[in-house]
Amino acid sequence: DSGVTQTPKHLITATGQRVTLRCSPRSGDLSVYWYQQSLDQGLQFLIQYYNGEERAKGNILERFSAQQFPDLHSELNLSSLELGDSALYFCASSPALYGYTFGSGTRLTVV
Amino acid sequence: AQKITQTQPGMFVQEKEAVTLDCTYDTSDPSYGLFWYKQPSSGEMIFLIYQGSYDQQNATEGRYSLNFQKARKSANLVISASQLGDSAMYFCAMSGSNDYKLSFGAGTTVTVRA
Repeated sequence: DSGVTQTPKHLITATGQRVTLRCSPRSGDLSVYWYQQSLDQGLQFLIQYYNGEERAKGNILERFSAQQFPDLHSELNLSSLELGDSALYFCASSPALYGYTFGSGTRLTVV
Repeated sequence: AQKITQTQPGMFVQEKEAVTLDCTYDTSDPSYGLFWYKQPSSGEMIFLIYQGSYDQQNATEGRYSLNFQKARKSANLVISASQLGDSAMYFCAMSGSNDYKLSFGAGTTVTVRA
């Protein structure tokens, strides 16, 4: 157990739907990162939050949004889902530069 | 912008032998970090080793060592005494000095044969 908890582990949904992925960082980590791993795009950084504030943004679609709550857990919201959004979504947390710990991921399948 | 290149899509290695996974990078950032992660078939991302751009010595962690050649912008991973459990996808990644997001290479699949 890495200490970073992601739920759910698997999600199957239809096109056009909206889903929420949840991440609880390791105890004490203030930074949360979201990554998407797909067959065609590889591993891509989506967004980072630090202590509740958005810190950096990567290749995140406008249909996607995220937030970090006061208890430091984070949610990634994916809406108007398309087949191409099917991917493994990782959350990671870090207190510093190299202490980067990934959760086990949420596998999203859009049908 | 940072770019990581892994040119070996897949490799086979005999059990107990060593294997080297290639990674080259490009960045204009004077300070950066280099990482290697392992992703087994179960999907989780497992941190293996880290090298800072100003570290004088190559990083080592158990059977993993990072062959860091700064002038050549390469950060190859060496796995010694390969085990069947080493069969997985391996990713090279880097981060810059002012942001902690990781840029990943395409990955190399390693298959260890008995």
